[in-house]
Amino acid sequence: GAVVSQHPSRVICKSGTSVKIECRSLDFQATTMFWYRQFPKQSLMLMATSNEGSKATYEQGVEKDKFLINHASLTLSTLTVTSAHPEDSSFYICSARELGRSPTQYFGPGTRLTVL
Amino acid sequence: EDQVTQSPEALRLQEGESSSLNCSYTVSGLRGLFWYRQDPGKGPEFLFTLYSAGEEKEKERLKATLTKKESFLHITAPKPEDSATYLCAVQERDDKIIFGKGTRLHILP
Repeated sequence: GAVVSQHPSRVICKSGTSVKIECRSLDFQATTMFWYRQFPKQSLMLMATSNEGSKATYEQGVEKDKFLINHASLTLSTLTVTSAHPEDSSFYICSARELGRSPTQYFGPGTRLTVL
Repeated sequence: EDQVTQSPEALRLQEGESSSLNCSYTVSGLRGLFWYRQDPGKGPEFLFTLYSAGEEKEKERLKATLTKKESFLHITAPKPEDSATYLCAVQERDDKIIFGKGTRLHILP
């Protein structure tokens, strides 16, 4: 149980294009989903918290107009990197917390974004 | 300032050599402490959640313990497949989760 998927697992795009990453909780309903980015050999940095049906809460320093988050249902959240630039290249990981259960977050497998 | 510190940063052990990883924390109001395992290029894999001092949980060769200031992840007779980065994270009352920088564990055959 508690499986989270991400799609795509890897994406390469040109500078200036937008990229959408999907995060799904496969076998549970998630009231809250989280988006992280991770640079090589560093820990996870929280970008934003999204609750189903409401606007995402962004961490300080994260541009909400650049990283668009939509949490349309209890099993799906999307992160769109708009007008991507090489400095946006990173490993993006989502996590989900089960509705009404413990505070444990279950993580997806991550998406490697490379912007040329 | 709230903080989660993991030590050591890296650890090399021979297969079968037991050891412990440390996670010390300073937060105002602990809601939960989490241990995850992360392999290169993958998302963190959930291992344990601990809620209160004195609590212990075990899974195969791993055992996690919690005090009011720190948590230990004990690994008994490790195998090469236990090599990974082990992440500790702490959740405060306001739902904010703080991750440590991790311990890179390498088990030599």
